[in-house]
Amino acid sequence: DAMVIQNPRYQVTQFGKPVTLSCSQTLNHNVMYWYQQKSSQAPKLLFHYYDKDFNNEADTPDNFQSRRPNTSFCFLDIRSPGLGDAAMYLCATSRLNAGLADTQYFGPGTRLTVL
Amino acid sequence: AQTVTQSQPEMSVQEAETVTLSCTYDTSESDYYLFWYKQPPSRQMILVIRQEAYKQQNATENRFSVNFQKAAKSFSLKISDSQLGDAAMYFCAYRSASRDDKIIFGKGTRLHILP
Repeated sequence: DAMVIQNPRYQVTQFGKPVTLSCSQTLNHNVMYWYQQKSSQAPKLLFHYYDKDFNNEADTPDNFQSRRPNTSFCFLDIRSPGLGDAAMYLCATSRLNAGLADTQYFGPGTRLTVL
Repeated sequence: AQTVTQSQPEMSVQEAETVTLSCTYDTSESDYYLFWYKQPPSRQMILVIRQEAYKQQNATENRFSVNFQKAAKSFSLKISDSQLGDAAMYFCAYRSASRDDKIIFGKGTRLHILP
């Protein structure tokens, strides 16, 4: 089945130790998103890609970076995780249709713990 | 700027009963999309139902239906014959049809199903 896959599902890192979360998709969607979701809150968009064009949200901290080496994969790098970065990180994809992206499909998320 | 408001942080419904989750939004645009997403505890966020603003007919997906009132900017979700598996956080979301494809989420409503 076509899907959005996130690895790992659970990640533990130490304060200040860089961590990378990965997302892959078999939907062949050209738009990919990274969200941060804290407990009982709505997802907060960090950035997204139209193909290789990177779009950063104005309030996304510089501590968060992203890479998209190809259509299928997208990575979230947290350069120096702080305690406040502990959250669920969601990857989503959508298909560009007539210049407008369609419904977003979400992966299962990676729960990040910062010790 | 567009906003999405879910005024019910939590709701409970008896199994097999019907429940309605409310959502209002604010926009100056005439063309847009509205969504309800479901996020079960520790599980993946999935699309429940989608509505195009230009369509007057309310969207329906099996036991899930919406009451879309464009003039009132209201988009409620009705769940009929509630099942234990319906217990989840439900997010109402908005996306412009004329700008970029970022989704604006409401804060969510946590739905409990009482056996």
